[in-house]
Amino acid sequence: EPEVTQTPSHQVTQMGQEVILRCVPISNHLYFYWYRQILGQKVEFLVSFYNNEISEKSEIFDDQFSVERPDGSNFTLKIRSTKLEDSAMYFCASSGQAYEQYFGPGTRLTVT
Amino acid sequence: GIQVEQSPPDLILQEGANSTLRCNFSDSVNNLQWFHQNPWGQLINLFYIPSGTKQNGRLSATTVATERYSLLYISSSQTTDSGVYFCAVESIYNQGGKLIFGQGTELSVKP
Repeated sequence: EPEVTQTPSHQVTQMGQEVILRCVPISNHLYFYWYRQILGQKVEFLVSFYNNEISEKSEIFDDQFSVERPDGSNFTLKIRSTKLEDSAMYFCASSGQAYEQYFGPGTRLTVT
Repeated sequence: GIQVEQSPPDLILQEGANSTLRCNFSDSVNNLQWFHQNPWGQLINLFYIPSGTKQNGRLSATTVATERYSLLYISSSQTTDSGVYFCAVESIYNQGGKLIFGQGTELSVKP
């Protein structure tokens, strides 16, 4: 069964550093998403992406964040200058023509 | 925006017991999904169920869209069912695919 994959599974970085989280969505999907979950809290929407542009973004998704689909398979989330409060689990998701979203296993980002 | 409330927040069961988790939402939806977050933090898709009833093994779900709630039934619970169960919805007024998650129900199944 096709699945969404994410790398790395765990990333540790220092405050102020740039990080890039990578995702490979399900191959025939057209809609891509990033969510995050701070430890012990609920999952929050960050951004949705379709046809090579952002469809919607939340207030969390400020100028420090960007997304890109650099080739036909990868979907990336970049945080330009990480803060302590960016420590969270980041989930990538994708969907096809139907609304159902399929989530990857997540990348745990720790900012020290 | 749309609000999602899950109940109960916590649930402790003995192995073999049945349980019902509830998700209330404040507006019409075109997507409702149930997830199980396992102890490793992974979100496992359980059901895509904006309306109607579905069953998958010991789990089943029902969404009554007109009354804006969904129920997740777990029968004959096992210790591996432990974890947090999330309901997530997308409002029909949203075009960008944004899923709004509830706070979750933390289930602990004791042997």
